[in-house]
Amino acid sequence: NAGVTQTPKFQVLKTGQSMTLQCAQDMNHNSMYWYRQDPGMGLRLIYYSASEGTTDKGEVPNGYNVSRLNKREFSLRLESAAPSQTSVYFCASSELAQPIQKSTDTQYFGPGTRLTVL
Amino acid sequence: AQKITQTQPGMFVQEKEAVTLDCTYDTSDPSYGLFWYKQPSSGEMIFLIYQGSYDQQNATEGRYSLNFQKARKSANLVISASQLGDSAMYFCAMTTYGNNRLAFGKGNQVVVIP
Repeated sequence: NAGVTQTPKFQVLKTGQSMTLQCAQDMNHNSMYWYRQDPGMGLRLIYYSASEGTTDKGEVPNGYNVSRLNKREFSLRLESAAPSQTSVYFCASSELAQPIQKSTDTQYFGPGTRLTVL
Repeated sequence: AQKITQTQPGMFVQEKEAVTLDCTYDTSDPSYGLFWYKQPSSGEMIFLIYQGSYDQQNATEGRYSLNFQKARKSANLVISASQLGDSAMYFCAMTTYGNNRLAFGKGNQVVVIP
């Protein structure tokens, strides 16, 4: 099992360019998430998908769009990149079920994508 | 809304000693889960330990244990017998019933010295 994989690992964009970050998981998890991490900060949720076919905004969704392509894949798109979107982006997945319990609610993270927007 | 607070400055720990990392949280929901993650310098986020709000016992996972004090809303991570590989940033996070979101604290930096 590869767990959660992300591509690319590094990316440099110019202001105004667009790009899509790819994420895939092989754990048959229902839920997937996109976070960003800025220096000195914890992770902040951008968008999430509780199940295939659904997506919802997180804490910092502006400037991003997402697509839950199928149960395995969840992509994050920057339509017009801005320097404020320079960050490390993490994808995560969880089984997610209620009530909360360790086995289903723990989120497992990909290795991250380091994005710089000039 | 969920809120996680980690305010300790960076810590230097002698190898083989124990270290405690503080985490306080705020939620009005009675059903929640608390998590600790480790982020080494390589950048990946590694799940360490989980505590459910209804768990009667403090969680343990190998050298990691969670000192859960529900009334004080604290969930401190204890790392016993520190190793050089424990040098990392440690994040406390929580999620609540019906909420798909993990709320993270800003992290605690730990450096283990030989």
